[in-house]
Amino acid sequence: DGGITQSPKHLFRKEGQNVTLSCEQNLNHDAMYWYRQDPGQGLRLIYYSQIVNDFQKGDIAEGYSVSREKKESFPLTVTSAQKNPTAFYLCASSRGLAQYTDTQYFGPGTRLTVL
Amino acid sequence: KQEVTQIPAALSVPEGENLVLNCSFTDSAIYNLQWFRQDPGKGLTSLLLIQSSQREQTSGRLNASLDKSSGRSTLYIAASQPGDSATYLCVPADRGSTLGRLYFGRGTQLTVWP
Repeated sequence: DGGITQSPKHLFRKEGQNVTLSCEQNLNHDAMYWYRQDPGQGLRLIYYSQIVNDFQKGDIAEGYSVSREKKESFPLTVTSAQKNPTAFYLCASSRGLAQYTDTQYFGPGTRLTVL
Repeated sequence: KQEVTQIPAALSVPEGENLVLNCSFTDSAIYNLQWFRQDPGKGLTSLLLIQSSQREQTSGRLNASLDKSSGRSTLYIAASQPGDSATYLCVPADRGSTLGRLYFGRGTQLTVWP
């Protein structure tokens, strides 16, 4: 059963702590993305990756870091430098970086709450 | 920068009605446009993808039209059902860069009651 999984579904963090959100896909997709969603707002792009060991900043990369050591995995670390990290985080993938030709497939999301 | 506006922001209707969700975008130089559905606290599911050369796409009770020159798209939902309740997102893809950026608006929150 192919798809994208994100874990955990809910995550709580104390201020000053780093936390890593998991994203795994078994669709054999080259491109992966991380978005942030805040209540009443559209999704905003944090980071994206076209291929293993390569990734680029999106619109709101400050306070976040990523790695792409395997094609299937694209973890996102929310660092203590992120001033307002409480949000809903969505991971997505597509066959290639050319989003205009392929639809993106989204994971179920992780809700991060900073206490 | 592409700006996406969806009207109405929220819609509440009885079951069985035919619905029209409207979307406008500021930059007509798009490569395609997708309509996504998002259930509360969940990820996005692609419903329809219209290439810039196309005028419409249909899937079951859903029909999406695209008027690229005027920067408008419309999603028609026929014979609405309570299971259609969700937020619907209109998402144009920018053709200008290698990334092919997606642009997200705030969506239309639909409630269909029995």
